[in-house]
Amino acid sequence: EPEVTQTPSHQVTQMGQEVILRCVPISNHLYFYWYRQILGQKVEFLVSFYNNEISEKSEIFDDQFSVERPDGSNFTLKIRSTKLEDSAMYFCASSGKDRGIYEQYFGPGTRLTVT
Amino acid sequence: RKEVEQDPGPFNVPEGATVAFNCTYSNSASQSFFWYRQDCRKEPKLLMSVYSSGNEDGRFTAQLNRASQYISLLIRDSKLSDSATYLCVVNTGAGSYQLTFGKGTKLSVIP
Repeated sequence: EPEVTQTPSHQVTQMGQEVILRCVPISNHLYFYWYRQILGQKVEFLVSFYNNEISEKSEIFDDQFSVERPDGSNFTLKIRSTKLEDSAMYFCASSGKDRGIYEQYFGPGTRLTVT
Repeated sequence: RKEVEQDPGPFNVPEGATVAFNCTYSNSASQSFFWYRQDCRKEPKLLMSVYSSGNEDGRFTAQLNRASQYISLLIRDSKLSDSATYLCVVNTGAGSYQLTFGKGTKLSVIP
């Protein structure tokens, strides 16, 4: 069964550095998302992306964050200048008409540690 | 602020037991409802969508009460493999793809 994949599984970076988290959504899906989960807390929505543009974003998704679909398969989240509080698990998700447009399928996540 | 509230548990039940989870949501505009399960330090996995008429998938039954803004999940004949955190999830409104997650209810099924 097709799955969402994410790389790397764990990223350690220093405060102030830029990071790019990568995702390959399920191949025929058209809607893409990023969520994060700080350790011990609930999953929080960051952004949704459709037709090569952001469709919704949360208050967390400020100017330090950006998303891109650089080619037909990858979907990336960039954090320009990381802060300690950006340390979290970042999940990519996708949805499409094949399984119900609102049913989102999550990748295994990238654990980001900012030191 | 649009919230989803769940009993955090933990629920410790013996194998074979029936267990029920409840959830309330504050956003009356929510249109899509789900239960996800999350194993420790893993991604949320979609368990089932929840429909107004209620729906069943094997040992799992989900119910939705829009008037009370209440969602439930019933697991019958619990298995050890059902041990996980169960997340109640709703979207933020008509046409919205933004999901709001509850903090989850932890279930431990004991041999």
